[in-house]
Amino acid sequence: GAGVSQTPSNKVTEKGKYVELRCDPISGHTALYWYRQSLGQGPEFLIYFQGTGAADDSGLPNDRFFAVRPEGSVSTLKIQRTERGDSAVYLCASSRGLAGDTQYFGPGTRLTVL
Amino acid sequence: AQSVTQLDSQVPVFEEAPVELRCNYSSSVSVYLFWYVQYPNQGLQLLLKYLSGSTLVESINGFEAEFNKSQTSFHLRKPSVHISDTAEYFCAVTINNNDMRFGAGTRLTVKP
Repeated sequence: GAGVSQTPSNKVTEKGKYVELRCDPISGHTALYWYRQSLGQGPEFLIYFQGTGAADDSGLPNDRFFAVRPEGSVSTLKIQRTERGDSAVYLCASSRGLAGDTQYFGPGTRLTVL
Repeated sequence: AQSVTQLDSQVPVFEEAPVELRCNYSSSVSVYLFWYVQYPNQGLQLLLKYLSGSTLVESINGFEAEFNKSQTSFHLRKPSVHISDTAEYFCAVTINNNDMRFGAGTRLTVKP
């Protein structure tokens, strides 16, 4: 079946602009995760959804970052007033939502803030 | 809070040599442990994981990792590496809430 997909694959924006990054999880997966990976680093946890609700958003760096999953499937990560330090690869993953389940990752969106 | 330390940022080895990629974690509660691999220009893929039971877990391509609770380690090993094993390897840990904490990664380069 289809894996996790993310769009766009690349996004270049200017400092101060608003961006939206989209994630389509594997069909039937109730859990969805967003991570950020900077160059030379491991993925950094941002937020985790179980169904439509954010079960843990402790990784969001500040209030410029927000994510939604209104119907329990597709999720959108929204970044307001982008800064150059937001440049990174944003990864999405999904799982069945049980403890210890494998998380399946998408290819990521590379965000560049000029 | 849980955290993961990968002690080596880069590991160069020759083809057919053994390799060990080290991973230590810190957590006050029981954890689930994972190794993910990222081949060049590809996304993260699960290599193997430890949930419970036997402390030695294996992958389909010859890697193995051993959970050592007393040393809080989950080192990854392979007795004989191939050129195709060249990749970035990430150790990760979760507890009950499923949010995963990753190490900084180890870049394994296999030379002919």
